[in-house]
Amino acid sequence: DAKTTQPNSMESNEEEPVHLPCNHSTISGTDYIHWYRQLPSQGPEYVIHGLTSNVNNRMASLAIAEDRKSSTLILHRATLRDAAVYYCILSYAGGTSYGKLTFGQGTILTVHP
Amino acid sequence: DGGITQSPKYLFRKEGQNVTLSCEQNLNHDAMYWYRQDPGQGLRLIYYSQIVNDFQKGDIAEGYSVSREKKESFPLTVTSAQKNPTAFYLCASSMRDRGTDTQYFGPGTRLTVL
Repeated sequence: DAKTTQPNSMESNEEEPVHLPCNHSTISGTDYIHWYRQLPSQGPEYVIHGLTSNVNNRMASLAIAEDRKSSTLILHRATLRDAAVYYCILSYAGGTSYGKLTFGQGTILTVHP
Repeated sequence: DGGITQSPKYLFRKEGQNVTLSCEQNLNHDAMYWYRQDPGQGLRLIYYSQIVNDFQKGDIAEGYSVSREKKESFPLTVTSAQKNPTAFYLCASSMRDRGTDTQYFGPGTRLTVL
């Protein structure tokens, strides 16, 4: 499986934008880029996913580099409720890896009031 | 409300006992998954099932067993063969969304083996 690399931790202030980077230099053409987040003692929560084009939803934006070797999750205005572990995951849709997600260590985001 | 339920939230068992963790979903999703999470670590896939009566081993299936007799249910049994069963167990189900699967997770069961 293709791997992702994320910083161990990041900090932000409330109501400021947050840019969470992810490197995935060995991504294949059929890998989707997914982001999930996990609050303490809870199950992960889907945030956003994309293949080649930038994506926006009510939670965040996903900016994908033109060569697809990196991506950035953008939280436009961080709130205290956004403090979580953020996972960047590559998922191959097809064959025996149907829907399979491989979680790494993720980035611990701390949001200061 | 649609969602995934896991019960119980906390579970204590004595060493050497088998224990079954419940996972139910009413999202009408075909695929379901079981993950294990240890403190400070990411999730690791135990088993997954794409359709009823079929399931595949994930990365750490040893010491675990599953069944998928109904679309909405995917129970996980932690057997006495699992050497380090104390962990946070998460169940998920998925739907196809713009060409790939989006997974939805339950609240988890925290298992402690004494």
